[in-house]
Amino acid sequence: NAGVTQTPKFRILKIGQSMTLQCAQDMNHNYMYWYRQDPGMGLKLIYYSVGAGITDKGEVPNGYNVSRSTTEDFPLRLELAAPSQTSVYFCASRPVNTEAFFGQGTRLTVV
Amino acid sequence: GIQVEQSPPDLILQEGANSTLRCNFSDSVNNLQWFHQNPWGQLINLFYIPSGTKQNGRLSATTVATERYSLLYISSSQTTDSGVYFCAARRYSGGGADGLTFGKGTHLIIQP
Repeated sequence: NAGVTQTPKFRILKIGQSMTLQCAQDMNHNYMYWYRQDPGMGLKLIYYSVGAGITDKGEVPNGYNVSRSTTEDFPLRLELAAPSQTSVYFCASRPVNTEAFFGQGTRLTVV
Repeated sequence: GIQVEQSPPDLILQEGANSTLRCNFSDSVNNLQWFHQNPWGQLINLFYIPSGTKQNGRLSATTVATERYSLLYISSSQTTDSGVYFCAARRYSGGGADGLTFGKGTHLIIQP
């Protein structure tokens, strides 16, 4: 199993551009999450999904959108990138009632 | 939502020393995890421990759910233990967002 795979690992965007961060898991987990980590801080929840076709907002959803058309994939869309979205983004997944597993992260810089 | 507080925020130790990291949480939890974020930014699962005690080599963890705290013990520290240790908790009771709430972490530096 590859676990949770995020692409790309690094990206530089210009203000106003859009992009999609990809996340895929091969563990057949129902639950998937997107977090962001700002320098010197813990992770904050952006969006989550409890299964294909179901998504919901977390603590910091503004400026982002998600979709979950399959169990395996949970892409995060940034529209009109802003400098405040410069961060490291982590995707995670978990089965029912046990631990979450994280991808290696995507480091995004908006200039 | 649930609040998670970690202490100390920073810790500098000599190689071979032991340490205890603390995590306090504000409500009963369904999930509590400890992570190590290495210098390359990877989040490594250490323990899934909503209650009880677990050990894995030089690391062990204890969660006292009734008193709302968890402890991570590191014995005989090595330089490779350096990094940030995060505690994260999840409480889901049918309302609000489902996901882990992270503390701000303990930044551990092990000096040779």
